[in-house]
Amino acid sequence: SAVISQKPSRDICQRGTSLTIQCQVDSQVTMMFWYRQQPGQSLTLIATANQGSEATYESGFVIDKFPISRPNLTFSTLTVSNMSPEDSSIYLCSVEKGINTEAFFGQGTRLTVV
Amino acid sequence: DAKTTQPNSMESNEEEPVHLPCNHSTISGTDYIHWYRQLPSQGPEYVIHGLTSNVNNRMASLAIAEDRKSSTLILHRATLRDAAVYYCIPSYNAGGTSYGKLTFGQGTILTVHP
Repeated sequence: SAVISQKPSRDICQRGTSLTIQCQVDSQVTMMFWYRQQPGQSLTLIATANQGSEATYESGFVIDKFPISRPNLTFSTLTVSNMSPEDSSIYLCSVEKGINTEAFFGQGTRLTVV
Repeated sequence: DAKTTQPNSMESNEEEPVHLPCNHSTISGTDYIHWYRQLPSQGPEYVIHGLTSNVNNRMASLAIAEDRKSSTLILHRATLRDAAVYYCIPSYNAGGTSYGKLTFGQGTILTVHP
């Protein structure tokens, strides 16, 4: 299994500012993922974060808006830059521990932009 | 990615079995079928997955049609804690593509009545 800690759990931010979300895993993992869940919606993958290389972004998401760091095998950050009210969502970190294994999710960061 | 069709919502009574269907008619031969659920205010959690044969674990059973175009998640005795959104997710896995990169549909909202 994997225990994932996300910080902060929630925040209220002013538009135009940036917020960095941290994801800490209790064991080393190869693949880490960041998802967004807009109000009342399902989860959408933002990007895949691999240690030692740039993150791979899904269609509709760009590095300038959602820069990601992956400095080691247990930690990653997602920054939501120049926020607008449309960025109000839950942001979730996920990991997998290997091929043919399940994915584990953090509890999410609930972001409200005012 | 294979597309899925799930009922928007289902209801059950506590202690009764629940059968949650999923159609994935465009699934390919190498796609595993994963089920995750998301309890209120939590990140998704893994339930079960399979390829061709029916699968059982401590949480649920997964019945996969012989043509693999549909599957059914079976909760043998629903409890109030099983109230959640259930997601059926075909996940391509070959050549190192990871399970962690998941495409979530809208899922089925399961309500369990006492």
